Amino acid sequence: RKEVEQDPGPFNVPEGATVAFNCTYSNSASQSFFWYRQDCRKEPKLLMSVYSSGNEDGRFTAQLNRASQYISLLIRDSKLSDSATYLCVVIGSFNFGNEKLTFGTGTRLTIIP
Amino acid sequence: NAGVTQTPKFRVLKTGQSMTLLCAQDMNHEYMYWYRQDPGMGLRLIHYSVGEGTTAKGEVPDGYNVSRLKKQNFLLGLESAAPSQTSVYFCASSYHLGTSGPTLRQSYEQYFGPGTRLTVT
Repeated sequence: RKEVEQDPGPFNVPEGATVAFNCTYSNSASQSFFWYRQDCRKEPKLLMSVYSSGNEDGRFTAQLNRASQYISLLIRDSKLSDSATYLCVVIGSFNFGNEKLTFGTGTRLTIIP
Repeated sequence: NAGVTQTPKFRVLKTGQSMTLLCAQDMNHEYMYWYRQDPGMGLRLIHYSVGEGTTAKGEVPDGYNVSRLKKQNFLLGLESAAPSQTSVYFCASSYHLGTSGPTLRQSYEQYFGPGTRLTVT
């Protein structure tokens, strides 16, 4: 089983719709979680952190389910500019003296006009 | 601030040739990283550095070497390029990796360069 797994998609969603996707992780000792956004042929950029209590940033909501070992990202009122690949990042077991970041392969989202 | 810059942006090599990718950051970050990104594989850590003069192996270090002679620069070398090294290479830096940052985001956020597209024929 991969350490971090994401549905690669693509998710094709009409503008204005709500879309959600999950990311599962295998290491129950994982400490912290993040969502990054990567536009086509660009570098990844941090979108938001994922806290145990869940957190919201405008139209974006991130949640953590430790019992089932997944994190989720919900996008409301989707915009054309939301089209991108969304990478989940899991801070896993202690590795190189600090913490090991593991990136998922990403979920591709396309918002359709 | 330029953030994280990478040179070159594109390169085509023949098998057996060597090259060096340069990464520079102007944010005074301690930590720097080299990743490669391949379709269906996600970002994989090649080497990283926790400070000037230090380097360490990541997940896929074979075939690569690195050096961090100055805090702001992190070089990735390919001594004898192979077709399997065809990939997009991203450099990243972070304030720290761990709990020393004042917030969770500042502890872990990595800033990426624009990438280098390398093709080895």
